[in-house]
Parts: sequence; C-alpha cells; structure tokens
Amino acid sequence: AQRVTQPEKLLSVFKGAPVELKCNYSYSGSPELFWYVQYSRQRLQLLLRHISRESIKGFTADLNKGETSFHLKKPFAQEEDSAMYYCALSGQGGNKLVFGAGTILRVKS
Amino acid sequence: GAVVSQHPSWVICKSGTSVKIECRSLDFQATTMFWYRQFPKQSLMLMATSNEGSKATYEQGVEKDKFLINHASLTLSTLTVTSAHPEDSSFYICSARDLASSYNEQFFGPGTRLTVL
Repeated sequence: AQRVTQPEKLLSVFKGAPVELKCNYSYSGSPELFWYVQYSRQRLQLLLRHISRESIKGFTADLNKGETSFHLKKPFAQEEDSAMYYCALSGQGGNKLVFGAGTILRVKS
Repeated sequence: GAVVSQHPSWVICKSGTSVKIECRSLDFQATTMFWYRQFPKQSLMLMATSNEGSKATYEQGVEKDKFLINHASLTLSTLTVTSAHPEDSSFYICSARDLASSYNEQFFGPGTRLTVL
C-alpha cells in the first residue's frame, strides 16, 4: 500500500531560520515524489518533483530511499513561504497521487 | 501553461437538488482527471479518477451513483452531485495530468465550494 506521512501539522519558525518539512513514505517499488504548496486562498500548485532535482524558491528535497524520506528544506525561511505544504507520491505506472496530511508552515517576523 | 479551471467557484443549493461542477484543462489535453474533496484544514481525499471515453474509477467508500463523473473530451470532466444533502457540503477540487508530460504530476483547479442547505 502507498502511504505518505507528514508528522508535523504545524511548523513555526522565525524569518531567516532554516526550515525542514518532513515527509516519509511507504511504497514497495520506485515512487515519484512531489511537494505541493497551497498559499492562503490559492489553489494547490506543484513546488518540486524529485525526478527534476531542482531548487524552486530556495527549496530543495532529496529522495532518500534508505530512509524512505523526501524532506523539504530551505536554508533561510521568508515570510512569504508561509503556506500549507503537501508531500505526495505516485507509484510506478500509476496515475494516482497519494497525499500526506499536510504541514502548515508559519514564518514569523 | 498547464492551467486547470473549475466552474462554478461556489454554489449554494437546496437539499435534494443536483449540482454539476465542470473541470477544464485550458492549454493541454488530459486523458485523466481527478476529483478530490477537501475538508477545512485537512488534506485532499481522492474521490475518483476520471478517464476520457471510459467509466470513472471510484475510491473505496465513494458512491458512484451519488457522484456522477463524465469525461467526454480531452479537456473537460464533470462531476455531478446528485440529490445533494448537507453532508455533501465541501470543497471539491479537480486536477488533470498532461497527456504530453512524462511525469505523473497533476495540475489543480481552484476548487468549488458547495454548500447544501
């Protein structure tokens, strides 16, 4: 079964502090992993996909197959990063995305 | 690119009536679209996968006769909530996969707020 776990409902940090949003997954094959972000009153939008190994808005995420994790990191948080972040997994050959419960990131000034 | 629209953005209806929600991919083709429900401050719950030209695949516990899905073209899927009741009040979100993309990412619509009185 596919499962995504985001252990923190809320993460509150000060502006300029490092951020790490945790995501662990359960899947027996090779998954595709994504981070989606939902800003206040906006639609869900793709932030990162692990395959692309990219950095978007200063965020990076590395797939660690040994630890089955895909944590989202940013070295210096900004107030505009405040949002809900969802980790999502798609299985091999599959269409569906399985979402984690989400983590609210609050960046305080 | 990769924009998904939903219509209406919100709807209020009386109990017992049916409501249709449209999901369109504006600048790409989508053989597969998805319908989700999202409760306040909760994650998205997949209701069904909408396949162009064939029947939708419903998740366990979702009544297919209550939530009718039609995916008649590569850019349009509709969700009809039949005989709506107050417990159907929710935020309904659709998403679509780009037929031309090699990734499994989905692009999301802005959602439709349904309130059943």
